[in-house]
Amino acid sequence: KQEVTQIPAALSVPEGENLVLNCSFTDSAIYNLQWFRQDPGKGLTSLLLIQSSQREQTSGRLNASLDKSSGRSTLYIAASQPGDSATYLCAVLDPNDYKLSFGAGTTVTVRA
Amino acid sequence: NAGVTQTPKFQVLKTGQSMTLQCAQDMNHEYMSWYRQDPGMGLRLIHYSVGAGITDQGEVPNGYNVSRSTTEDFPLRLLSAAPSQTSVYFCASSSLTSGTDTQYFGPGTRLTVL
Repeated sequence: KQEVTQIPAALSVPEGENLVLNCSFTDSAIYNLQWFRQDPGKGLTSLLLIQSSQREQTSGRLNASLDKSSGRSTLYIAASQPGDSATYLCAVLDPNDYKLSFGAGTTVTVRA
Repeated sequence: NAGVTQTPKFQVLKTGQSMTLQCAQDMNHEYMSWYRQDPGMGLRLIHYSVGAGITDQGEVPNGYNVSRSTTEDFPLRLLSAAPSQTSVYFCASSSLTSGTDTQYFGPGTRLTVL
């Protein structure tokens, strides 16, 4: 059974600092890994998707890396802003049954 | 293009009542799924479907039924509500053939069972 862990559970940084969010998974046989953002009381918004054959994906200030062999992914957010305050979740997709396994998330607060 | 829609947004039930949570998508996605989100436990898969007429169980299927008669709709039925089913429920969809596999989520249904 795939287990996905996100550490830390919460993070508070001053505006302008770079954010580093970690995600680890126990089974390296994944189809892809996806990072989501969730605002309080809202649904999930996809930020980045990395296919199993890729090492990283970038979108604006966001960069996500994937090391499948070690079961790790890292989401970097450059020059954080108060609007980046949210919960960030990672999820891995099983290639056999397309089941998505989620981490519990990292709640980020960016202080102005 | 509305994406993934869910109704209702909020619902309060009494123990033993039944109800159906609605989910619809207009992106012609083959894959649809239901999750529940509980504090400290992340999202857990309840049921999923890879196409019309095909459904399968996820991690926490007990107490829930699903059906997929059309590509667009994937309703979740609570047979006899229990307080343990108090949660936020999310529906999601994705394409299995486009090569992108991005999961799109609905806004959620907040369910309280008294």
